[in-house]
Amino acid sequence: NAGVTQTPKFQVLKTGQSMTLQCAQDMNHEYMSWYRQDPGMGLRLIHYSVGAGITDQGEVPNGYNVSRSTTEDFPLRLLSAAPSQTSVYFCASSYRAWYGYTFGSGTRLTVV
Amino acid sequence: KQEVTQIPAALSVPEGENLVLNCSFTDSAIYNLQWFRQDPGKGLTSLLLIQSSQREQTSGRLNASLDKSSGRSTLYIAASQPGDSATYLCAVRNTGANSKLTFGKGITLSVRP
Repeated sequence: NAGVTQTPKFQVLKTGQSMTLQCAQDMNHEYMSWYRQDPGMGLRLIHYSVGAGITDQGEVPNGYNVSRSTTEDFPLRLLSAAPSQTSVYFCASSYRAWYGYTFGSGTRLTVV
Repeated sequence: KQEVTQIPAALSVPEGENLVLNCSFTDSAIYNLQWFRQDPGKGLTSLLLIQSSQREQTSGRLNASLDKSSGRSTLYIAASQPGDSATYLCAVRNTGANSKLTFGKGITLSVRP
């Protein structure tokens, strides 16, 4: 039982490049979410999913895409990286609505 | 829209003190409230989860209470230690189809030896 696994842990991108942040969980959790954490802004929800095939936008979705083709995986795609997307990204999952969330260890992304 | 507030943003105390960290939220339609700990440069570790029907939860030196009607939770840390130094985040999970988690900005705690 590995919990929530995020890869990579660190990434440097050039402006305009695209990339995918990977998130996988092996706990059969229905709910999965992506957050970004910035100094002074706290944790903000980017996108979330309530099950395979179902995704929706959070508070700050612009510039990001998600899909959920399996229960286990919830990748976050940066379409054309911008310096404003420099942040720490966390993936989280929860079994059911009334359960707690488990977080991954994060991806630190720098866009230059 | 749910808003979660944690005040103060930072706290410095001598070792051995008993601490109370506060969290307030605006919408009482929640499934639960979760307290997390975050060490510098690290991820979030769940400390305690309180369901909306519960009044408190305990784990070791930690005790969290919930008053849903007034929109308040407290995290009590007994006999604080330097190893307790970290940022403590409160998050509430709204009811409804999406049941999103909304975070406060956290309280950065420093426990001085």
